[in-house]
Amino acid sequence: GNSVTQMEGPVTLSEEAFLTINCTYTATGYPSLFWYVQYPGEGLQLLLKATKADDKGSNKGFEATYRKETTSFHLEKGSVQVSDSAVYFCAAYSGAGSYQLTFGKGTKLSVIP
Amino acid sequence: GAGVSQSPSNKVTEKGKDVELRCDPISGHTALYWYRQSLGQGLEFLIYFQGNSAPDKSGLPSDRFSAERTGGSVSTLTIQRTQQEDSAVYLCASSARGWQGFGAQYFGPGTRLLVL
Repeated sequence: GNSVTQMEGPVTLSEEAFLTINCTYTATGYPSLFWYVQYPGEGLQLLLKATKADDKGSNKGFEATYRKETTSFHLEKGSVQVSDSAVYFCAAYSGAGSYQLTFGKGTKLSVIP
Repeated sequence: GAGVSQSPSNKVTEKGKDVELRCDPISGHTALYWYRQSLGQGLEFLIYFQGNSAPDKSGLPSDRFSAERTGGSVSTLTIQRTQQEDSAVYLCASSARGWQGFGAQYFGPGTRLLVL
């Protein structure tokens, strides 16, 4: 089955710093890839997605590019804000037979003023 | 439109009791999923429903866990004879089926279960 590995946190950055959260996957075929975000006290929200190789998902200043050659989907943001403090989850969905999402363990980001 | 809703938002129960958790998916979404989020375990898939097909129960941790989906909409997850290790946040998600297959899953706020 699929597996997703993302960098362990916690990650602490100063406001306006550059963010990268690494995510790699192993899967049969070419899964759709997602980043979900969980703000403090809230549920999981879809942040962005990419469904095929070289696709770039983007939302709220965050970007991630589906890299088939490195089986990666790293999350980046050029200038983080305090409001970006949350837990970020990378997930993969094969869409063929097994319709469950496989999640990474989550990376907690804290942005300090 | 309305998102995925779950009830109750919090549930405290005594070890050995049965609990029922409810999920209302987004209207029109044919696929419904249950996950469990617990400290140290991350997010675990439990069960998946698609239309009238037999559910994928491969993620259920024991036979104390069961789920049903009535009328292709509302789902209930039942945990019998609860144990302390069942304490977790139970998340429900739904997704629509497009021509490429299933799209992104949209999650409800979760039910936080505490077994004393």
